[in-house]
Amino acid sequence: AQKITQTQPGMFVQEKEAVTLDCTYDTSDQSYGLFWYKQPSSGEMIFLIYQGSYDEQNATEGRYSLNFQKARKSANLVISASQLGDSAMYFCAMRAFSGGYNKLIFGAGTRLAVHP
Amino acid sequence: GAVVSQHPSWVICKSGTSVKIECRSLDFQATTMFWYRQFPKQSLMLMATSNEGSKATYEQGVEKDKFLINHASLTLSTLTVTSAHPEDSSFYICSAILLQSSYNEQFFGPGTRLTVL
Repeated sequence: AQKITQTQPGMFVQEKEAVTLDCTYDTSDQSYGLFWYKQPSSGEMIFLIYQGSYDEQNATEGRYSLNFQKARKSANLVISASQLGDSAMYFCAMRAFSGGYNKLIFGAGTRLAVHP
Repeated sequence: GAVVSQHPSWVICKSGTSVKIECRSLDFQATTMFWYRQFPKQSLMLMATSNEGSKATYEQGVEKDKFLINHASLTLSTLTVTSAHPEDSSFYICSAILLQSSYNEQFFGPGTRLTVL
């Protein structure tokens, strides 16, 4: 079965410090994609970063980087130089082909609180 | 960039009434849209996949007669919650696939908060 696991319900980080949000996945597919989204209190889903299963290098987007360890089936998000505006829910998701469509399977999420 | 809108952003209705939520792709055509439901402090759960010109595909456990989905054009999908009850109160989010995206990225609408009294 395809599944995303985020084991950290909540995380705290000091402003300007780096933080790692954990994500592990389970799939038997050879081709898949992994996404991270940020959801602030307003509810909108903001795309942060994407990693394809065949990508050899870890994805980076500004202060966001994805630590992709394929053998361990993990895709941790690293946020460098945390800012107060980073406080939000963070969801890891996997694109899975099911029922004839590419669907997103979401993890339970991690609530990040950035302290001044 | 690709923009998806939802209307209304919030709605309050009485138990037993029906509510329609619209999802529009503003600057691209979307043959496939998705509808999610999110309860407080929980993750997004896929309800159904909406395809232009054909019937929606519902996830296991989602009542197709209660959550009617219509994808009448390449830019509009609607979700109608029929005979709504308080347990249907939730945050409903739609998304649309931008096929031109290198990784079939889904763009999300801002969500609709439904409260059933």
